[in-house]
Amino acid sequence: GQQLNQSPQSMFIQEGEDVSMNCTSSSIFNTWLWYKQDPGEGPVLLIALYKAGELTSNGRLTAQFGITRKDSFLNISASIPSDVGIYFCAGPIEGAQKLVFGQGTRLTINP
Amino acid sequence: NAGVTQTPKFQVLKTGQSMTLQCAQDMNHNSMYWYRQDPGMGLRLIYYSASEGTTDKGEVPNGYNVSRLNKREFSLRLESAAPSQTSVYFCASSVLGNYGYTFGSGTRLTVV
Repeated sequence: GQQLNQSPQSMFIQEGEDVSMNCTSSSIFNTWLWYKQDPGEGPVLLIALYKAGELTSNGRLTAQFGITRKDSFLNISASIPSDVGIYFCAGPIEGAQKLVFGQGTRLTINP
Repeated sequence: NAGVTQTPKFQVLKTGQSMTLQCAQDMNHNSMYWYRQDPGMGLRLIYYSASEGTTDKGEVPNGYNVSRLNKREFSLRLESAAPSQTSVYFCASSVLGNYGYTFGSGTRLTVV
């Protein structure tokens, strides 16, 4: 089945640093989504990408839809304490109303 | 506007016991989903309901059943709980054809 692999699995950074993470698949996806999960809560949608090569920003977050349609990237600039959490990439299973999620990247920020 | 409401928030079961996890959404969404989250495994789809009156298996359906009671409610039942079902369970909903899911805050289930 379609699977998504995220890296790194965890990151430990200092406040103010920039963050980069990625998501790859052996299958083509026509949509890429990035969700964030705060501790003790459900995931919340951050950014949705619909076109190969697309670059979309949401405040300090920037995500890119890879041109091969098999990967996506998320960058966070000038990290702040509230960026702590788990970041998931996701993509829709072709022909079905359902998403497959990556394993997540856990971000920890040292003040 | 409550969004997606899950009950209970925490539950401890003994092996072999049964229980139903409840989920309700007030956004008039067509589609609803149940995922489980385990460390290092991400979110795995158990069952989903693309629209009222339909349900389909996801990636890990064994040991679970679901009921789409009406457009608002989608319940998940464990008939005979096993320790392997210890997990955090999330319900989500979306507009049909849209992948921007709204998630509930989860049910943390421990089976001993």
